[in-house]
Amino acid sequence: SQKIEQNSEALNIQEGKTATLTCNYTNYSPAYLQWYRQDPGRGPVFLLLIRENEKEKRKERLKVTFDTTLKQSLFHITASQPADSATYLCALDWGMTTDSWGKLQFGAGTQVVVTP
Amino acid sequence: DGGITQSPKYLFRKEGQNVTLSCEQNLNHDAMYWYRQDPGQGLRLIYYSQIVNDFQKGDIAEGYSVSREKKESFPLTVTSAQKNPTAFYLCASAGTIGANVLTFGAGSRLTVL
Repeated sequence: SQKIEQNSEALNIQEGKTATLTCNYTNYSPAYLQWYRQDPGRGPVFLLLIRENEKEKRKERLKVTFDTTLKQSLFHITASQPADSATYLCALDWGMTTDSWGKLQFGAGTQVVVTP
Repeated sequence: DGGITQSPKYLFRKEGQNVTLSCEQNLNHDAMYWYRQDPGQGLRLIYYSQIVNDFQKGDIAEGYSVSREKKESFPLTVTSAQKNPTAFYLCASAGTIGANVLTFGAGSRLTVL
């Protein structure tokens, strides 16, 4: 079965530095890889997605890379701020195929703590 | 504002009782989902529905039931057959074009006493 691994230990980082999170998976590469942010007691919020044929995607201070050879995605938060403190989830998305329609597979998430 | 509304936010249940969690969306999305989240684990899919009056089991459907009588609504019933129902439940919806980008509700936390 497909496995997704994200760092289970919290990432503590100083304000202004770059936070880098990893998402590793086994078996088949998805059509898309998505990243969500989740605050305590709240639902996840979509941040970015990257397609299997894309190497890198950026949105403001966020950058995502996707390496289907390594079966890995990296998620970067540059110039981190205390407001970036949250748990970040990656999700594998096989797109709108019959068998996988709407069925994302989520990692357990990595908590990021940004201190002033 | 468009979004997903889940209720109640917190729910306490005695063992042996069924409870129903509400999920309503005004995003005009066709697809709706129920996930369960436990500490240290990824979100696990309980049930999903692509169109009205149709739904499919996810990875952990045992002890749960759903209905999809209206496009906007996808309630989840946690039955007494669910052996470990204490968890955070998340409802989500998605459009049907391209990637499956999910919009989540704020969640419902169920505690069994």
